[in-house]
Amino acid sequence: GENVEQHPSTLSVQEGDSAVIKCTYSDSASNYFPWYKQELGKRPQLIIDIRSNVGEKKDQRIAVTLNKTAKHFSLHITETQPEDSAVYFCAASYNNDMRFGAGTRLTVKP
Amino acid sequence: EADIYQTPRYLVIGTGKKITLECSQTMGHDKMYWYQQDPGMELHLIHYSYGVNSTEKGDLSSESTVSRIRTEHFPLTLESARPSHTSQYLCASDPCTGMVRCEQYFGPGTRLTVT
Repeated sequence: GENVEQHPSTLSVQEGDSAVIKCTYSDSASNYFPWYKQELGKRPQLIIDIRSNVGEKKDQRIAVTLNKTAKHFSLHITETQPEDSAVYFCAASYNNDMRFGAGTRLTVKP
Repeated sequence: EADIYQTPRYLVIGTGKKITLECSQTMGHDKMYWYQQDPGMELHLIHYSYGVNSTEKGDLSSESTVSRIRTEHFPLTLESARPSHTSQYLCASDPCTGMVRCEQYFGPGTRLTVT
C-alpha cells in the first residue's frame, strides 16, 4: 500500500519568511496529492491540491510542486503570516485510496 | 446546510463502558471514514466505508466496529473502552467514486476521555 512520509515534523519561521514542507510517497500509481490545513481545535480543510499530470500549481501565497520521477511533492508558503500557523498534512491518493502524511506543525512568529 | 456532524463533541466515560460515536453527513457522499487523532498529531485511519453495507478496517486496530446501514450515517462503537482509547475521533466523507480530484470533508470531531 501507499506510504507517505512528511518532513519536517515541526517548522518555525519569522513572519514574512517562506515555509517549505516536503513529502515523499511510495506508490508510483498515486495520481492525486492534496494538502490539508488544521488550525488549533478545528477540523482539517483542503487548501490546495495537484494532479499527477501537473508539475506545479499556485494559489496566491501557497504553491505545490510535484516531481513524479522522484516521487516527492512540496508545499511552499510565501510571505508567511501568523494565521498560517497550523498543522499541515500532505496526502497521496490512487483510485480514491488516500494516505496522509504525519503532519507538520508550522509556527509563524510575529 | 450540507455538512458533516459528529455527536457528542466531548465525552468522558469510565473504563469498560460501551460507547457509540455518531457521524452523519447531509451531502450524499458514498465514502466515509473514521480517523483517530491525538490533537495536532497524525491522522490514523481506523475504518472506512464505500457505501451502504460496506465497511473496511483501516491501518489502526482500535478494537472498534462500524456499521453503514444508511448512506448518511456511519457510527463507531467501542465495545469496552480503555484509557488507551483516549483521543480525538474525526469522521470524514467524500463523493469521489471514480474521480481523480477529491476532497475529504471532515467533521468537527469527538474528544473522548476514558478514565
